[in-house]
Amino acid sequence: SQQGEEDPQALSIQEGENATMNCSYKTSINNLQWYRQNSGRGLVHLILIRSNEREKHSGRLRVTLDTSKKSSSLLITASRAADTASYFCATGPDTGRRALTFGSGTRLQVQP
Amino acid sequence: EPEVTQTPSHQVTQMGQEVILRCVPISNHLYFYWYRQILGQKVEFLVSFYNNEISEKSEIFDDQFSVERPDGSNFTLKIRSTKLEDSAMYFCASSVQGEVTEAFFGQGTRLTVV
Repeated sequence: SQQGEEDPQALSIQEGENATMNCSYKTSINNLQWYRQNSGRGLVHLILIRSNEREKHSGRLRVTLDTSKKSSSLLITASRAADTASYFCATGPDTGRRALTFGSGTRLQVQP
Repeated sequence: EPEVTQTPSHQVTQMGQEVILRCVPISNHLYFYWYRQILGQKVEFLVSFYNNEISEKSEIFDDQFSVERPDGSNFTLKIRSTKLEDSAMYFCASSVQGEVTEAFFGQGTRLTVV
């Protein structure tokens, strides 16, 4: 798989349920960031987790990072219809460079 | 809340024409970026810019592309001779100086080459 691959590709849940999206990557990273994109719109930064962190919370979002498995997960608790969007992970390399490598994203549909 | 702004939101151009995409990064940010997203595909890095010069670029960023910070607020991406395959959403982003920072993205410019 390529750097920054999310699974599932698509996820449909009911309002109030939790949504979990996973991201795997191949190279060493300095940080991993999650973004949301509403259809045809810009990328909204959600959360950044550094390579020396294992878990981070922000509101209804919980991100975990396992550098030994080169994977991350994004959990959205108590989902709302407004959470419907595509979610992307993006990795920042540990080379001192800043270019982010994006995954192909998970399309989340929250049914009201 | 400060945000990255991009203009225009949508541009249609004929193949072979030059286009300039404009961005106003967040005012205290020092790193600027261009990414693109071809419809249905991943977001891809094009170029980063710091201290008035290109700091990184991808293989996509060939000689037909150039970037400029013509004044203290604007950051532009020029495509000299557009091709059909340049049709994509182009995103500008900026971040503060620092080893690990979030990149904040604009709403994008949808470029359609016909």
